[in-house]
Amino acid sequence: TQLLEQSPQFLSIQEGENLTVYCNSSSVFSSLQWYRQEPGEGPVLLVTVVTGGEVKKLKRLTFQFGDARKDSSLHITAAQPGDTGLYLCAGVRGDYKLSFGAGTTVTVRA
Amino acid sequence: GAGVSQSPSNKVTEKGKDVELRCDPISGHTALYWYRQSLGQGLEFLIYFQGNSAPDKSGLPSDRFSAERTGGSVSTLTIQRTQQEDSAVYLCASSLGGQYRRNTIYFGEGSWLTVV
Repeated sequence: TQLLEQSPQFLSIQEGENLTVYCNSSSVFSSLQWYRQEPGEGPVLLVTVVTGGEVKKLKRLTFQFGDARKDSSLHITAAQPGDTGLYLCAGVRGDYKLSFGAGTTVTVRA
Repeated sequence: GAGVSQSPSNKVTEKGKDVELRCDPISGHTALYWYRQSLGQGLEFLIYFQGNSAPDKSGLPSDRFSAERTGGSVSTLTIQRTQQEDSAVYLCASSLGGQYRRNTIYFGEGSWLTVV
């Protein structure tokens, strides 16, 4: 049973379009992280959100942490082929253990 | 290189055989983690090391799985009497300390294990 549910599971869009990935849980997390993973590589940390209601921007990527610290979203504006990859959210409970969602596979077509 | 190094990158083994997966963390990182990634599922926590000791082994799926870390550096994950359900990518990660809020965790490229 996954503590974190990600949706959608797959997303295929045209270059220039916007997309949003959701990460939901019934559990409260001290913080939440987003990773991107490309084939044959390990996940790479994109951002950590800590405070309920927090919004962080990383160029064309906007991350939001829900007020109750149970959910998060990742929004990509004007997606590019280089944004293609598996996006994973991970909830932090305690100091060191991450609970990962199953991931959203994003494909951006040129 | 300067990243987390794992070997082998790919391993095909017969059911019932033992396998050892190796992880070389980033130099100076005291915290080391093993995760397992199965197709269509997220990463599953296996074990956490702080230095040479493992304060949390709660994620190891069965007593066929064991891990050790020596010299506060290299770690080995051993799977005995492998089963087909053990097929997955085994990811190792390391960080300066054990607190995610303060220390970025860096993942290796993983060891892809296939049990036939």
